[in-house]
Amino acid sequence: DIQMTQSPSSLSASVGDRVTITCRASQSISSYLNWYQQKPGKAPNLLIYAASSLQSGVPSRFSGSGSGTDFTLTISSLQPEDFATYYCQQSYSTPQYTFGQGTKLEIK
Amino acid sequence: EVQLVESGGGLVKPGRSLRLSCTASGFTFGDYAMSWFRQAPGKGLEWVGFIRSKTNGGTTEYAASVKGRFTISRDDSKSIAYLQMSSLKTEDTAVYYCTRARGMATIRFDYWGQGTLVTVSS
Repeated sequence: DIQMTQSPSSLSASVGDRVTITCRASQSISSYLNWYQQKPGKAPNLLIYAASSLQSGVPSRFSGSGSGTDFTLTISSLQPEDFATYYCQQSYSTPQYTFGQGTKLEIK
Repeated sequence: EVQLVESGGGLVKPGRSLRLSCTASGFTFGDYAMSWFRQAPGKGLEWVGFIRSKTNGGTTEYAASVKGRFTISRDDSKSIAYLQMSSLKTEDTAVYYCTRARGMATIRFDYWGQGTLVTVSS
């Protein structure tokens, strides 16, 4: 199975900060990488698919980049509603859709 | 508006069975593959299984942790996907999410239900 490793596991930041979360795959997954946001008690919400495509309805402050084994999710200017847990997920090794362990983004 | 609503969760004893339902609306259900995920309390997300659209064979795939115990099916006439869980174990305790799968090469899960909690305990 392809292992997905996110860093950091947790992160403290302030409103207005630029934040980057990293996801690394244990082998090349081309651009088959999705990012999700999950708030406490809620279902995950798709933010980015195919590494860099913004899901419809998602604010443009979210962006994704990378290919192969290394990927990043960037939030250009943190808003209060962005404090949540973020997960990357690979869709290369279908249908074994493995996730990273999550990055919890907290208010500083 | 696309909506997915799970139902059927609850408390069940180890070794017993439970069936979850996912009722879809707002899109042509039969055109899409559907997938189930789960999240144990305080843990991350885990893929459970997948059912392709009838157009793509309607076949299923499962995670190794549930293969042989869980079965996914669909009723396109009712826009419902099912997750039949048998021989349940305490480690199956989780919130179970139904999702719509979109895309072929770059598959992603663009709509999720609110989740239903399954607790396996004696």
